[in-house]
Amino acid sequence: NAGVMQNPRHLVRRRGQEARLRCSPMKGHSHVYWYRQLPEEGLKFMVYLQKENIIDESGMPKERFSAEFPKEGPSILRIQQVVRGDSAAYFCASSPDSDYEQYFGPGTRLTVT
Amino acid sequence: AQSVTQPDIHITVSEGASLELRCNYSYGATPYLFWYVQSPGQGLQLLLKYFSGDTLVQGIKGFEAEFKRSQSSFNLRKPSVHWSDAAEYFCAVGANYGQNFVFGPGTRLSVLP
Repeated sequence: NAGVMQNPRHLVRRRGQEARLRCSPMKGHSHVYWYRQLPEEGLKFMVYLQKENIIDESGMPKERFSAEFPKEGPSILRIQQVVRGDSAAYFCASSPDSDYEQYFGPGTRLTVT
Repeated sequence: AQSVTQPDIHITVSEGASLELRCNYSYGATPYLFWYVQSPGQGLQLLLKYFSGDTLVQGIKGFEAEFKRSQSSFNLRKPSVHWSDAAEYFCAVGANYGQNFVFGPGTRLSVLP
């Protein structure tokens, strides 16, 4: 059983461009969580999704950030008009249901130049 | 609001020495507590977890942690550190598995030969 997959592993964007980060959960997992790790800091929760539903987006910035987890395909974290402060590692985690531990992917490291 | 503190930003120990990493949390109910390890450039790996029962929990790689409700602590220990243990260690708390986790800022462990 492959682990949580994230791609790309590294992403470089210029200020003002869009960043799209993908997360493929483990097989059989229908719950996805996104976290952001700023340099020298711990992970901060962003959003929790189930298939086709956003359950908790209390950690998402109000503007420019959006997330989806469609019925088919990976979960997408989208950042529009990126700024330097968006440079961070973005981690995705998945679980098979709401009462089970989260398994983390290797992360996508976004650099905004 | 729940929070996690890890008082030690960076710890250096000699190989073979014992290790204790501190974690204190603030939470209104019985928490789910976790320790994760992150090697450079990698995702997070779960070391151990606590949610009920015996307050001393055993994890992978020879780690253990003890939940002390009176001190709101969940310290991680290892009797003999190996060079491969050098990594960043994160303590996290959650209401249950299915809710977003709050992570501490992390403790970086360096191991001297």
